[in-house]
Amino acid sequence: DTAVSQTPKYLVTQMGNDKSIKCEQNLGHDTMYWYKQDSKKFLKIMFSYNNKELIINETVPNRFSPKSPDKAHLNLHINSLELGDSAVYFCASSPSGRAPQETQYFGPGTRLLVL
Amino acid sequence: AQSVTQLDSQVPVFEEAPVELRCNYSSSVSVYLFWYVQYPNQGLQLLLKYLSGSTLVKGINGFEAEFNKSQTSFHLRKPSVHISDTAEYFCAVRVSGNTPLVFGKGTRLSVIA
Repeated sequence: DTAVSQTPKYLVTQMGNDKSIKCEQNLGHDTMYWYKQDSKKFLKIMFSYNNKELIINETVPNRFSPKSPDKAHLNLHINSLELGDSAVYFCASSPSGRAPQETQYFGPGTRLLVL
Repeated sequence: AQSVTQLDSQVPVFEEAPVELRCNYSSSVSVYLFWYVQYPNQGLQLLLKYLSGSTLVKGINGFEAEFNKSQTSFHLRKPSVHISDTAEYFCAVRVSGNTPLVFGKGTRLSVIA
């Protein structure tokens, strides 16, 4: 059973398009995250949601909009895709998100290529 | 704000040799420290973490790390590496539940047969 799953695994699209990435966790965790990993492998938090409420929103362009229909799902919608959006996007979850010592559990990643 | 520096972007090492991956952090308050591993084309998984207490932390796959407060370091070690240890290793720090987990830029460990 996959704990944190993401779809699609690969996404190739043209500049200007709108796309969504879906994430689901079956761990019963309250907090979910989106991270972006650039071509140099640098990993940076984008958003975190606790029980459908936005907790962390790092300086991300407003073309990126997270949506959490319930605490097991956190989707990422990207409008007007740009070349610089090409990256690997990781979803993660943690039990409460409130305790700094908690382990975060990562999905397998979605590799986005914008042409 | 906290930050993490991984001093080596790439570390090649022969199979069965020991390895140390270096990590230094910067924070004005107490920290929680983590090492995550990313195998090729996969997500990250936790190797080990330092919360408090003993400064030597043992993790999975024979890895261990030592917390050194005076040197603000959390170096990762393994006495004998295997080919399967080839991966990207990330050091990370967090100070509170209201702040994000901050990652270093990663160290690529390449184990050579």
